[in-house]
Amino acid sequence: EVQLVESGGGLVQPGGSVRLSCAASGFRFNNYWMNWVRQAPGKGLEWVANINQDGNEKNYVDSVKGRFTISRDNAKSSLYLQMNSLRAEDAAVYYCGRSRYMDVWGKGTTVTVSS
Amino acid sequence: SYELTQPPSVSVSPGQTARITCSGDALPKKYAYWYQQKSGRAPVLVIYEDDKRPSGIPERFSGSTSGTMATLSISGAQVEDEADYYCYSTDSSGNHFVFGTGTKVTVL
Repeated sequence: EVQLVESGGGLVQPGGSVRLSCAASGFRFNNYWMNWVRQAPGKGLEWVANINQDGNEKNYVDSVKGRFTISRDNAKSSLYLQMNSLRAEDAAVYYCGRSRYMDVWGKGTTVTVSS
Repeated sequence: SYELTQPPSVSVSPGQTARITCSGDALPKKYAYWYQQKSGRAPVLVIYEDDKRPSGIPERFSGSTSGTMATLSISGAQVEDEADYYCYSTDSSGNHFVFGTGTKVTVL
């Protein structure tokens, strides 16, 4: 079964850091682009970042550039999002998605930014 | 920054056709994708590359494009189709990805 499982979310103070993980199974991970997408409470979907198959091409939404870093470990079939200098507006459910157009999604992990 | 504009809401009676539009300047050259998101759940891809339907998606879901507008149609809408729907595409550079503003579909 094709599956994505996010983890690492939780309560973080403003200015703090957190690292999200996405564990992939059921498909050849290194064949696919991967994405992070977020959804703030009561709001719409926002694409955050993506990374190509070997990790040498990365794209970010302007609001997270310089603060977030997407990476992957193909040997572990895992995707990561390092989030630094967190702001209140970064609070959201974070989803990982497979392929450039996200044909498979995880269930998400929640990041809360509050003091 | 690039934007994709959708109507906030669409209402349709059961069995009728719901049409959701998505407007963006780069759509004549970039594919549109559509996602369904039910309350509290992760999104599900329902249309890719403008008009293709993933396996397992009912035939009543279809996509089309014309100029700067993409349209998701739900023919013979059912109560179970009530959800938020989002379009997705890229700007002309292909490096900036964006979701549409989202449309809440009500079937009643």
